[in-house]
Amino acid sequence: EVQLVESGGGLVQPGGSLRLSCAASGFTFSNYWMHWVRQAPGKGLEWVSRIEGGALTTNYADSVKGRFIISRDNAKNTLYLQMNSLRAEDTAVYYCARDLGVLGNYEDYWGQGTLVTVSS
Amino acid sequence: DIQMTQSPSSVSASVGDRVTITCRASQGISSWLAWYQQKPGKAPKLLIYGASTLQSGVPSRFSGSGSGTYFTLTISSLQPEDFATYYCQQANSSPPPTFGGGTTVDIK
Repeated sequence: EVQLVESGGGLVQPGGSLRLSCAASGFTFSNYWMHWVRQAPGKGLEWVSRIEGGALTTNYADSVKGRFIISRDNAKNTLYLQMNSLRAEDTAVYYCARDLGVLGNYEDYWGQGTLVTVSS
Repeated sequence: DIQMTQSPSSVSASVGDRVTITCRASQGISSWLAWYQQKPGKAPKLLIYGASTLQSGVPSRFSGSGSGTYFTLTISSLQPEDFATYYCQQANSSPPPTFGGGTTVDIK
């Protein structure tokens, strides 16, 4: 059974940093692109970033480019999101998601999410 | 970025009703489109990808159609478990994927 479990969320001050983790199990982690998607309270979904299975390619939404870094440790089956220079508008539930594995950006399995609150 | 516009933003319907949700892209995206269902407090669930391919395990009352800039999600006979918010997503790699604003299906 595919499982994705996020951790690392919490309250952080504007300008601060936080690192999210996503522990994956039930599939061959290194074979899949992985994504981060976020959802501000009461709002819609926003794609944040993705990383190729071998970590050679990464992509970011313009809203986080230059501030967030996606990475992965295939030996530990873990996905990360390093978030720097955090702003109030980064407040959201952050989901990690597995790519479906066909052409295109489709997310077939999602974690339960971890809440990040940026506030003084 | 490609903008995705869903309509309506909400719809009230009864069990057994046929419900159709529309999604328009600001530029052509071929068939690079997905539909997700999200219930309160839960993660989204992939329903359809490639505009019309049903994800494994999704009931056949869900169907998707369209290409280019105009897409629809249809629920042929609404069931109690279908009351949720639905999002379309353009699934191109570049520019980055973007979601529509969501359509909430609630009980009439």
